[in-house]
Amino acid sequence: KQEVTQIPAALSVPEGENLVLNCSFTDSAIYNLQWFRQDPGKGLTSLLLIQSSQREQTSGRLNASLDKSSGRSTLYIAASQPGDSATYLCAVRPAYNTDKLIFGTGTRLQVFP
Amino acid sequence: DAGVIQSPRHEVTEMGQEVTLRCKPISGHNSLFWYRQTMMRGLELLIYFNNNVPIDDSGMPEDRFSAKMPNASFSTLKIQPSEPRDSAVYFCASSPPSPTGRGELFFGEGSRLTVL
Repeated sequence: KQEVTQIPAALSVPEGENLVLNCSFTDSAIYNLQWFRQDPGKGLTSLLLIQSSQREQTSGRLNASLDKSSGRSTLYIAASQPGDSATYLCAVRPAYNTDKLIFGTGTRLQVFP
Repeated sequence: DAGVIQSPRHEVTEMGQEVTLRCKPISGHNSLFWYRQTMMRGLELLIYFNNNVPIDDSGMPEDRFSAKMPNASFSTLKIQPSEPRDSAVYFCASSPPSPTGRGELFFGEGSRLTVL
């Protein structure tokens, strides 16, 4: 059974720092992995999607990497800003059931001025 | 594109009452998902549909929960009778056909349910 873990559960950093958020999954047989952002009281916004054949994806200050064999993905946020404060969730789509996404519990990020 | 539209955004009801949550997926998407989010359990998949057909409802907690998708542009999640432990945020999400959408999921803003 696929399980997804995110560490740390919460992170508080000063503005300007470069950050790494971690996501681990137990079964390397995945179709893709997706990173989401969730603001308080809001839905989830898709940030980056990495297919199983890819190693990384970039969008602006965000870079997500995927190492399937070790069951890990990282989300790198460059030059963090207070507006980046949110909960970040990763979700894995298993290869055995490509219709489903299995979510981690998220990392709550606070960037203070 | 209007995105996934959910209603109501907030619902407060009393135990025993029927609750109906509604979802309009993004036009052209053929998969629809209902999730529940709580502090204790995070995001849980309740049920999903492919081309309006329920594929997997193993996440539906009890017979009190039911979901329908009568057409490609509308789905409902019903709880009858509701209980305080059903209090959560319920999300609807949709996904375009693969490989066009590459399996990307798009979420609505959620319906926050409070059962007193």
